[in-house]
Amino acid sequence: NAGVTQTPKFQVLKTGQSMTLQCAQDMNHNSMYWYRQDPGMGLRLIYYSASEGTTDKGEVPNGYNVSRLNKREFSLRLESAAPSQTSVYFCASTTDRSSGNTIYFGEGSWLTVV
Amino acid sequence: QKEVEQDPGPLSVPEGAIVSLNCTYSNSAFQYFMWYRQYSRKGPELLMYTYSSGNKEDGRFTAQVDKSSKYISLFIRDSQPSDSATYLCALHSGTYKYIFGTGTRLKVLA
Repeated sequence: NAGVTQTPKFQVLKTGQSMTLQCAQDMNHNSMYWYRQDPGMGLRLIYYSASEGTTDKGEVPNGYNVSRLNKREFSLRLESAAPSQTSVYFCASTTDRSSGNTIYFGEGSWLTVV
Repeated sequence: QKEVEQDPGPLSVPEGAIVSLNCTYSNSAFQYFMWYRQYSRKGPELLMYTYSSGNKEDGRFTAQVDKSSKYISLFIRDSQPSDSATYLCALHSGTYKYIFGTGTRLKVLA
């Protein structure tokens, strides 16, 4: 049982390049999330998906797009990477956003934009 | 005002000490409270989950919630070097929104 799996774990991009972070969960969870974690700022929500076929903006969506490919997979795309997007990215999932269930995280993707 | 405040530390304690980690929050709508442990270069992992005020114990860990004061705590008894990590508090109101503290870095010295 892998839980939440993210790829790649490390990536270096040049400014202006694009890339997609992949995320998959095997817990049959409905809701999936993408967060970024920066020193002194905690985890900030980029986008979330309450169910297959729906996506919504979080706190810091600018510069990102997402796709909820199916119930298991939720990808995050940087169309034109900027140095300000250097961060650690975490994918997460929960069973049901209305019942107070706990949120489970992947291992993280370390992205550096130069 | 931030929705949740957490002292970033670092907090250094000797092995065997009792550790107290705390968060304060401002929005009384939060009903569910969690503590996560995050090792270096890893994702946050759930330690404790509580609902409503009171204490919850799990082994060496005790989570305490005081909703009237908007204050949550995590106590670690008999701390071990393997407890060295960053501890994040998290609050949830029952919607999509989870609010995380910035984390307290703990180092337990052998």
